[in-house]
Amino acid sequence: DTTVKQNPRYKLARVGKPVNLICSQTMNHDTMYWYQKKPNQAPKLLLFYYDKILNREADTFEKFQSSRPNNSFCSLYIGSAGLEYSAMYLCASGTGGAETLYFGSGTRLTVL
Amino acid sequence: GDKVKQSPSALSLQEGTNSALRCNFSIAATTVQWFLQNPRGSLMNLFYLVPGTKENGRLKSAFDSKESYSTLHIRDAQLEDSGTYFCAAEFRNSGTYQRFGTGTKLQVVP
Repeated sequence: DTTVKQNPRYKLARVGKPVNLICSQTMNHDTMYWYQKKPNQAPKLLLFYYDKILNREADTFEKFQSSRPNNSFCSLYIGSAGLEYSAMYLCASGTGGAETLYFGSGTRLTVL
Repeated sequence: GDKVKQSPSALSLQEGTNSALRCNFSIAATTVQWFLQNPRGSLMNLFYLVPGTKENGRLKSAFDSKESYSTLHIRDAQLEDSGTYFCAAEFRNSGTYQRFGTGTKLQVVP
């Protein structure tokens, strides 16, 4: 099974409320990534886990958190959603850059 | 700065014609991927390249690491090829990271 699963497919959230998005893969990949994709913009890397080590991009450092309790599972957490967080969130997994990335179908987050 | 410059930003092709998309890299890239974004927004893998070329049906891609560019050739364009194409390059600098191009919005017309 080479699929990366993301839940939910659509998410509505209120401004100021927390949001938790979930991603899983069963390919035993050591690296899992989260991207934010807005219309007419390139996907933006938010953070990635290499094994148990979390790497966050400098410009989104304070806005997003993540956890990876085991190799298969990775979450993206927004502590207090703002309108600007409305976007498609894509999860991907790979083997630390040596192989192709496999993308999930994404979660479309709308913040109201 | 922009490490991945993708061109053109938009393209209209007549059905049955050929064209090429291009990504230039301002620093040395180690690998390149090409994706097609579906209408829902999720990304579909097209190619993963270490330096070299790959072909799949009417699509062909090349990555020249010495000249720092990659191309995606579309032959005999079909209506279903319409969408936004992204390249993504991997760079190494105290670890590896990936950067996306800004995308090429392709419309194939009858």
